[in-house]
Formats: sequence, C-alpha cells, structure tokens
Amino acid sequence: ETGVTQTPRHLVMGMTNKKSLKCEQHLGHNAMYWYKQSAKKPLELMFVYNFKEQTENNSVPSRFSPECPNSSHLFLHLHTLQPEDSALYLCASSQVGWGRDINTIYFGEGSWLTVV
Amino acid sequence: AQTVTQSQPEMSVQEAETVTLSCTYDTSESDYYLFWYKQPPSRQMILVIRQEAYKQQNATENRFSVNFQKAAKSFSLKISDSQLGDAAMYFCAYRGDNFNKFYFGSGTKLNVKP
Repeated sequence: ETGVTQTPRHLVMGMTNKKSLKCEQHLGHNAMYWYKQSAKKPLELMFVYNFKEQTENNSVPSRFSPECPNSSHLFLHLHTLQPEDSALYLCASSQVGWGRDINTIYFGEGSWLTVV
Repeated sequence: AQTVTQSQPEMSVQEAETVTLSCTYDTSESDYYLFWYKQPPSRQMILVIRQEAYKQQNATENRFSVNFQKAAKSFSLKISDSQLGDAAMYFCAYRGDNFNKFYFGSGTKLNVKP
C-alpha cells in the first residue's frame, strides 16, 4: 500500500468542466506538493503546503486552485483548463524538520489528466 | 534557481551488466541533498538512493551506488547486476536550503535487455 494515494487515477474533462484531484498521505508528513509531469520535461513544481499553509505557488495559472484542509489531504481544483494542461499530476509529501527520513519526498501514483 | 541536468535521455544495458547514469547540478549552496528516483511504467516515483552533501562517503543501497563529486557538482548513479525490473525512467533531484523545493532533472530512460 502506497503512503500517498491519489484519486482519480485517470480523468478526461472538457475545457468547460470543473473537476478536482484528490491526494491523501498516510505518512504523518507536514508538507504536501503538487507537481506536473509532461512528456520530456522536468517535473514542474506547482504548489507546496507546509502545515496546511501554502508556501509556494510557482506561477501557476489561476485555473488551477489548490486546497489543503489538513496536513493529510490535498486537492487540486480544475476549471476551464486548456488542452496543453493534459499531463500527469503528481502529489507528494515530505517531513520538514530533523530525523533520518527527513528531507525526502514521497510520491503518489499520479493522476492522468486529459483535457479535450 | 538551482538546475539539475541529466544529459542522457535514454540508455540501454544488458541484463546482469553495470550501467552508470549521469547527473550534474548547479548550486551556490554548501548544504543540500541529492536523490535518485525511479519511475517505472506504473508511474509511481520511488526513491532509489539519497546522498547528503556534507557526507564524503558515497551512498550505497544494495545494487545501487552513487559517485558524488561535490567540487564537480556531479552525482551519478551506478546500477550493478542490472535486472529487467530496473527498466524505468530515472530522475535525479536536488533539495537545498529551501525545504520546500525539490528540483528534478528531465530524466533518463533505462532499457534493460534480456
């Protein structure tokens, strides 16, 4: 069982739809992330939450809206997306602080998004 | 901003042989962490090995080892006795003083031939 779970695994949506991606981490971590993975590109950091507070927004368009209700859950709300937003969206978590397993990021299996 | 470069988009290795994947990075920080992640076709990124920059000794995890050259800002991954299950995309990653920012390279696709 993975420590970071993402749903749905696959999503097809029209440009006028509103949908959400969900992420849950079972590792007791205090930081959560959204990354975008497109073909032949480095992973792009989108958002970071530390203790439920957003600490990074990497110039992401407003059609992507994150929500972190608690340190275990992270959502990515999607609306009026463009076809170029089709990609694999990876959720991740890490523990910021001190200790052996600190400073390592753990990923979910990703959500494949296709915008038509 | 820090950059991570993987200059080999794709590599192949014969089963049971050894292969080395290259990674270089650019930073002005003195303390940082380096990682290699594996992404098989299932798409889940899995941590392979981790190196703290303040440690001179190269990290090893079973068949996986790194060659960390701090002055050269180089962090290569050596896979010994390659197995079919090693076939995947491999990503090099950097994390510096900003706890929240992990920088990833563009990846190297490793093929393992039986």
